[in-house]
Amino acid sequence: KNEVEQSPQNLTAQEGEFITINCSYSVGISALHWLQQHPGGGIVSLFMLSSGKKKHGRLIATINIQEKHSSLHITASHPRDSAVYICAVRSPGTYKYIFGTGTRLKVLA
Amino acid sequence: DAGVIQSPRHEVTEMGQEVTLRCKPISGHNSLFWYRQTMMRGLELLIYFNNNVPIDDSGMPEDRFSAKMPNASFSTLKIQPSEPRDSAVYFCASSRAGEGAKNIQYFGAGTRLSVL
Repeated sequence: KNEVEQSPQNLTAQEGEFITINCSYSVGISALHWLQQHPGGGIVSLFMLSSGKKKHGRLIATINIQEKHSSLHITASHPRDSAVYICAVRSPGTYKYIFGTGTRLKVLA
Repeated sequence: DAGVIQSPRHEVTEMGQEVTLRCKPISGHNSLFWYRQTMMRGLELLIYFNNNVPIDDSGMPEDRFSAKMPNASFSTLKIQPSEPRDSAVYFCASSRAGEGAKNIQYFGAGTRLSVL
């Protein structure tokens, strides 16, 4: 069993839909990071969370430390949101990330 | 800031050849990471440096792989001899250590390596 599990693995949505991507982890962490990888391959940092909730534009990320779970929400999805979304957790006292396998999102116009 | 700069963006080589990937971290960042991404295994940490010193190289697959960081603004990842199974996208990332939850890693655009 992977230490970081994401669901779903693949997701197809219609433009405008509300999207939720989930990340569950089984290790102690100091922070959780959501990354976005575009079809061209570049990786962009979206959020880093250690508690609570963060919002940036149409993106919202939440984390529940007790339940070892985080969600990434996209409101009013758009085709340009099509990408792979990767959850990564950082072990306490280190800079090492443990990565999820990613969720491939496709938003249709 | 230009961000993390990697070169080349694409590399195609023949089995047995030496391959050198290059990375320039963001100025002022003192931690540097090399990752490999494949379809089968996703993103894997190969090695990370702190203040130019290799701290953890447990992810380096075998002796054919080596990494150096001669100064704070440059790092290389070398594969010698290369094999087809080394084909992957190699990412470099940097961060500024010591800022607690703020030490986000910033990724370069990656080098797509194909070993024929």
